[in-house]
Amino acid sequence: QVQLQESGPGLVKPSQTLSLTCTVSGGSISSGSYYWTWIRQPAGKGLEWIGCIYTSGSTNYNPSLKSRVTISIDTSKNQLSLKLSSVTAADTAVYYCARGGGSWELDSWGPGTLVPVSS
Amino acid sequence: DIQMTQSPSSVSASVGDRVTITCRASQGLSRWLAWYQQKPGKAPKLLIYAASNLQSGVPSRFSGSGSGTDFTLTISSLQPEDFATYYCQQANSLPLTFGGGTKVEIK
Repeated sequence: QVQLQESGPGLVKPSQTLSLTCTVSGGSISSGSYYWTWIRQPAGKGLEWIGCIYTSGSTNYNPSLKSRVTISIDTSKNQLSLKLSSVTAADTAVYYCARGGGSWELDSWGPGTLVPVSS
Repeated sequence: DIQMTQSPSSVSASVGDRVTITCRASQGLSRWLAWYQQKPGKAPKLLIYAASNLQSGVPSRFSGSGSGTDFTLTISSLQPEDFATYYCQQANSLPLTFGGGTKVEIK
């Protein structure tokens, strides 16, 4: 069974770039007809889709974040990554990576990592 | 973006109760809708995809129905482990969007 695990710095300063990595285990990130996504959730609030990447390397981003987001994939390391630039306190959230299936459902999730944005 | 509206935002229920949660989309989704369960401090867990398909390993007391703009998640007999927040997610077009959540609380 595939498992996902997010990792990254525990704190990011305003105006800096948030960088996270998601390591996939229990299966190849490039096998099957899956895509890989990033989602975030501010404390006590709902879920926001950030964007996704396919094993081909093509990406789709949420228009609300598109100018600041880059998602990439490293099939040799079985990892995907997220970079979010020019962060503010509004970007403070738990960030999740997840695997997407053929019906655009998200069938496997990492446990999430809290990223506070604060000076 | 497609807006997803869940109702109610919270519901109080007892073990054994039948619970129904509704999700309405701002435009037609066909059957491209998923449901998730989230417990405090945990990641969401997929329950239902394509409106009515039960994800592997999910108890059969969970069921989904609907098409177009109106969808329902039903828990036929609420169990103690089902107290959580439930989210719908439209899978019809990007960006993927989620409902605001329904918190199922103990009465």
